[in-house]
Amino acid sequence: AQKVTQAQTEISVVEKEDVTLDCVYETRDTTYYLFWYKQPPSGELVFLIRRNSFDEQNEISGRYSWNFQKSTSSFNFTITASQVVDSAVYFCALSLGSGSARQLTFGSGTQLTVLP
Amino acid sequence: KAGVTQTPRYLIKTRGQQVTLSCSPISGHRSVSWYQQTPGQGLQFLFEYFSETQRNKGNFPGRFSGRQFSNSRSEMNVSTLELGDSALYLCASSAWDSDGHGYTFGSGTRLTVV
Repeated sequence: AQKVTQAQTEISVVEKEDVTLDCVYETRDTTYYLFWYKQPPSGELVFLIRRNSFDEQNEISGRYSWNFQKSTSSFNFTITASQVVDSAVYFCALSLGSGSARQLTFGSGTQLTVLP
Repeated sequence: KAGVTQTPRYLIKTRGQQVTLSCSPISGHRSVSWYQQTPGQGLQFLFEYFSETQRNKGNFPGRFSGRQFSNSRSEMNVSTLELGDSALYLCASSAWDSDGHGYTFGSGTRLTVV
């Protein structure tokens, strides 16, 4: 069975600080996909990134960056120069990507609050 | 391109009643998944439909059911509602392929059972 752990329940930072959200996953499969989603108060899950298990290249998108390390089964997410609009719940998720295992297994989420 | 549309946005039902929620996926997406989000259990997978067939099911009682129509729109039904069914129900659409394509979620239906 798959498992995703987000040990940080809540994080509070002051605007312009950098913040890293941790994600650790468990799976016995060699092919899998990792995701990050953002959930603002409106409730919709907003897709941020997908990474497959064969691509460990780190990615940067604007103020967002992701560090994928298979050796530690981690897929951490960093927001640089945080802004108040970044306040939301962030979810890390895992999918085996095919057949009956396509569904997303989510972590418990990290509530990020960015204070002005 | 229109996003995933879920209706209604809010719903209040009485224990013992049944409820039907609707989801219209992104045009061209043939897969629809449903998730339940509660403070205690977090986000949990309910089921997935593709081409009007249920392809995958999570660990929920038979009171939870769904279906998909030929236009890919999906409905989920919960019968004999219990207080614990109060949750945000999220629908996600995706293209059915084998590379773990990303899912696009709707804004959800917030169900309150009283």
